[in-house]
Amino acid sequence: AQTVTQSQPEMSVQEAETVTLSCTYDTSESDYYLFWYKQPPSRQMILVIRQEAYKQQNATENRFSVNFQKAAKSFSLKISDSQLGDAAMYFCALSEDSNYQLIWGAGTKLIIKP
Amino acid sequence: GAGVSQSPSNKVTEKGKDVELRCDPISGHTALYWYRQRLGQGLEFLIYFQGNSAPDKSGLPSDRFSAERTGESVSTLTIQRTQQEDSAVYLCASSSTLGGAYEQYFGPGTRLTVT
Repeated sequence: AQTVTQSQPEMSVQEAETVTLSCTYDTSESDYYLFWYKQPPSRQMILVIRQEAYKQQNATENRFSVNFQKAAKSFSLKISDSQLGDAAMYFCALSEDSNYQLIWGAGTKLIIKP
Repeated sequence: GAGVSQSPSNKVTEKGKDVELRCDPISGHTALYWYRQRLGQGLEFLIYFQGNSAPDKSGLPSDRFSAERTGESVSTLTIQRTQQEDSAVYLCASSSTLGGAYEQYFGPGTRLTVT
């Protein structure tokens, strides 16, 4: 069965510095998608970045980038130049091509220190 | 355009009562998903709808949970005879169609508290 594991319940970083959030996953399929979502206290889940498994190039969205290691089934999120507005819960999620459900990790709480 | 909306924002109910939660997806989105998020945890898939196809109910935790969607519009999630373990945030999402390639847009959720 597919699983997503986030081993860091909480991370903190100084404003303007860089932080990396970890995620590992398990799937038997070759076609799948990986996501990082942000959930601020407002509860609104917001897509941060998406990676297609068939793409070797790591996805990048402004200050957010991923390190996708397909063989190791690892999908970490790097946030550069951290800002106070980045403080939130971050969830890693997996969607297999044959199964439209999103499978979620337990989340990492990111704290930004001013 | 408008995003996904959910109502009510918060619901407090007594154990044993029935509750109905509503989701209005983004107009034109054929796929609609319901998730449950318990405190401090990730999301659990409950059910999805795609157009007029039969829904995937594989995530519903018990027969007390049911959901309906009329065409490609509003969906309601009903929990009968609520229990304290049903307390959670219920999130709805919609996407243009099914598939991991299509971004799911989430509503703000309904926080359900069963006393």
